[in-house]
Amino acid sequence: GNSVTQMEGPVTLSEEAFLTINCTYTATGYPSLFWYVQYPGEGLQLLLKATKADDKGSNKGFEATYRKETTSFHLEKGSVQVSDSAVYFCAHGFYFGSGTKLNVKP
Amino acid sequence: DAGVIQSPRHEVTEMGQEVTLRCKPISGHNSLFWYRQTMMRGLELLIYFNNNVPIDDSGMPEDRFSAKMPNASFSTLKIQPSEPRDSAVYFCASSLLADSTSNQPQHFGDGTRLSIL
Repeated sequence: GNSVTQMEGPVTLSEEAFLTINCTYTATGYPSLFWYVQYPGEGLQLLLKATKADDKGSNKGFEATYRKETTSFHLEKGSVQVSDSAVYFCAHGFYFGSGTKLNVKP
Repeated sequence: DAGVIQSPRHEVTEMGQEVTLRCKPISGHNSLFWYRQTMMRGLELLIYFNNNVPIDDSGMPEDRFSAKMPNASFSTLKIQPSEPRDSAVYFCASSLLADSTSNQPQHFGDGTRLSIL
């Protein structure tokens, strides 16, 4: 079947800390993978994507690598900012994870 | 560029009333999606359309929910009669032509926050 599993939140970090949000998926075939971000009161926005195995998507300092062998697409950022506080969703096609809330404290 | 436009942004109504949510997708997008977001269940796909035709409505909770897409620039999600458990944020999204393995990202509206009293 098709599904996306991501780590439970909330994740609370201090500014400039390293961020990892884990995401694994099950899929028929090899779909494109996405990370979306949702700020309060808004819809989801595309953060980054990767279309095939070993591709790395990146945007605004965030990165994620499409790992076919581990069916994973973990989101990372080297130094988070308060403005990164939001809910992050991993997805493929129209299968979304449950979202991980990130709180960054100054 | 105009994004996906949803209306109303907020709706408060009493149970038993009919509720109609509206969506204008991005021009040129062939696929349109309706989602429901709640704390308990997260983001749920209700239905999606390709080229104005409903493709998968298996996520529609029950017969009280219906969705239409009369043309490429407009879609509605209707709940009749509404119940308190329908309270949620409803999102519309659009993309270039989609299937379950699509590499096309979805563009979301800002949602309609629905409260049924």
